[in-house]
Amino acid sequence: EAGVTQSPTHLIKTRGQQATLRCSPISGHTSVYWYQQALGLGLQFLLWYDEGEERNRGNFPPRFSGRQFPNYSSELNVNALELEDSALYLCASSLPGQGAEAFFGQGTRLTVV
Amino acid sequence: GQQLNQSPQSMFIQEGEDVSMNCTSSSIFNTWLWYKQDPGEGPVLLIALYKAGELTSNGRLTAQFGITRKDSFLNISASIPSDVGIYFCAGPEYGNYQLIWGAGTKLIIKP
Repeated sequence: EAGVTQSPTHLIKTRGQQATLRCSPISGHTSVYWYQQALGLGLQFLLWYDEGEERNRGNFPPRFSGRQFPNYSSELNVNALELEDSALYLCASSLPGQGAEAFFGQGTRLTVV
Repeated sequence: GQQLNQSPQSMFIQEGEDVSMNCTSSSIFNTWLWYKQDPGEGPVLLIALYKAGELTSNGRLTAQFGITRKDSFLNISASIPSDVGIYFCAGPEYGNYQLIWGAGTKLIIKP
């Protein structure tokens, strides 16, 4: 069974541009979570989607947004990129109602120059 | 909001040594999770604990769900070089399904 897959694995953008990151959850998982992990730091919760709806959002500005598609895959969009947005962006998925056992993808390394 | 305090922040150990790390909270958690993250990779779930007092093993790893439901411990016996990485504790926020994360314990093996 395929795990959580994220694309691209690496992304380089210039300041002010927009970035789009993609995530495909494990088959049968309807919840998708996005986290930001700056170098050497812990995971900061960004967004949670379930059944196509945004369920919760972390303490990030509105230029961080996303959506979940009918097939439960998800996109994270970051507008007006800033240098501080450089980080590993992790996607995780879980079964309905079970945020406990979340399984992670390998992440997208976003570098803003 | 709920927070998880994880310690130690980092550990320098010799190969073959046993390792202990813990996670505490001022509020109750109904689930405790332990993850390991290798550099540039996503965290991998090691052990999940669902019941107060529960002791669960996964190979050389053993984790315990504290009886007060406010703490958890992870032990690694006879450490080997591939144990190097960052270990995170996590638990679902009360009334919500998103995970709250500890800051991580970085395990380093002394040459």
